[in-house]
Amino acid sequence: EVQLVQSGAEVKKPGESLRISCKGSGYSFTSYWISWVRQMPGKGLEWMGRIDPSDSYTNYSPSFQGHVTISADKSISTAYLQWSSLKASDTAMYYCARHVVAVAGTRELWYFDYWGQGTLVTVSS
Amino acid sequence: QSVLTQPPSVSGAPGQRVTISCTGSSSNIGAGYDVHWYQQLPGTAPKLLIYGNSNRPSGVPDRFSGSKSGTSASLAITGLQAEDEADYYCQSYDSSLSGPYVVFGGGTKLTVL
Repeated sequence: EVQLVQSGAEVKKPGESLRISCKGSGYSFTSYWISWVRQMPGKGLEWMGRIDPSDSYTNYSPSFQGHVTISADKSISTAYLQWSSLKASDTAMYYCARHVVAVAGTRELWYFDYWGQGTLVTVSS
Repeated sequence: QSVLTQPPSVSGAPGQRVTISCTGSSSNIGAGYDVHWYQQLPGTAPKLLIYGNSNRPSGVPDRFSGSKSGTSASLAITGLQAEDEADYYCQSYDSSLSGPYVVFGGGTKLTVL
């Protein structure tokens, strides 16, 4: 059974650093990318970026480039999302998702077939 | 402001059919990129509902169907049930600016009356 299990809820102060994790199991971790998705309170889904665990290549949404860092340790099938200096506006639920890249004829499909349970990050002084 | 545009809310009575639209542009849906749909029940993580415009993952009832035409896509739900009350999101791929990158719609809240 494919599972993505995320680390627990965090409460931090502005300016603090944080790393949350997402551990994959039940499949070959290096065969699929991992994406991170933000959901602010009462709002919609926002794609932050993705990593290819096989070579740690990343690409980020322009909205998040430079604000977060995505990394992975394939030896323990775990991806990470990291902040160096949190802001109150980082308060949100963060989901990791298994990012499928498929080809259908001339079409390339990017979508998310399994999701973690979410990690709630609260940043408050 | 989301790159893909969805109506904020739709509603329908049990047994009825509802549709949710998703409108993009020439750099995403209009460029031929596929649309995928997710269902997010209250307090839970999103779940893949439709991929590749119209394909259902195993376990998704055939009451859910998707289609795409031009720069838009639609999700249809027939035989509406109380358990369908959720937020629905469309998602595609965008090749503009420094892309490629993933784009979502703003989400549509479905209320079953």
